[in-house]
Amino acid sequence: AQKITQTQPGMFVQEKEAVTLDCTYDTSDPSYGLFWYKQPSSGEMIFLIYQGSYDQQNATEGRYSLNFQKARKSANLVISASQLGDSAMYFCAMRELYSGGGADGLTFGKGTHLIIQP
Amino acid sequence: NAGVTQTPKFQVLKTGQSMTLQCAQDMNHNSMYWYRQDPGMGLRLIYYSASEGTTDKGEVPNGYNVSRLNKREFSLRLESAAPSQTSVYFCASSEFIGAGELFFGEGSRLTVL
Repeated sequence: AQKITQTQPGMFVQEKEAVTLDCTYDTSDPSYGLFWYKQPSSGEMIFLIYQGSYDQQNATEGRYSLNFQKARKSANLVISASQLGDSAMYFCAMRELYSGGGADGLTFGKGTHLIIQP
Repeated sequence: NAGVTQTPKFQVLKTGQSMTLQCAQDMNHNSMYWYRQDPGMGLRLIYYSASEGTTDKGEVPNGYNVSRLNKREFSLRLESAAPSQTSVYFCASSEFIGAGELFFGEGSRLTVL
């Protein structure tokens, strides 16, 4: 079973609109972190935002916020007032403290290709 | 502020050739990782090193070897390259194992003919 599922392979959004990128996750580890990364066409991986499993409030970083619904195992990224420069691939990822006995590191979803249209 | 540095940025190999991807971080991080990125697949973990002197397999280790040379450096070796290893490779580091974000290098694009 996939640990991270991103159901939107691609999205087109008008500039200045808000965008929600979906992410659901699967873990039995009580302690984990959820991350979003942006990958522009230049290829680098840019860390955007983090949410810990015990955090009571949703994380926010500037125009980015993470809509964390623990019971639904959902960690959607919300980008407010989208800009042309937001066009990129966006990856949701999870890191488990105990990793279920498996490997450490981030487990990534397959990504959402976001295109902002003027 | 170099962060995580990978070399080379681009490489073309013929099937059966060997090569080593080098990675170095200057953030005094304990853990280091190698990922590969293929179209439509996201990033998949090849190997990681939780601390100096240790290495462990990730999701897709076959065909690769790694060396944690010291705390700063973590190399990935392809002994006999295959076309299936054509990919973009990312090195990453993390301050601690099990928690916190990963800091990524710029990636290395490898083509195996």
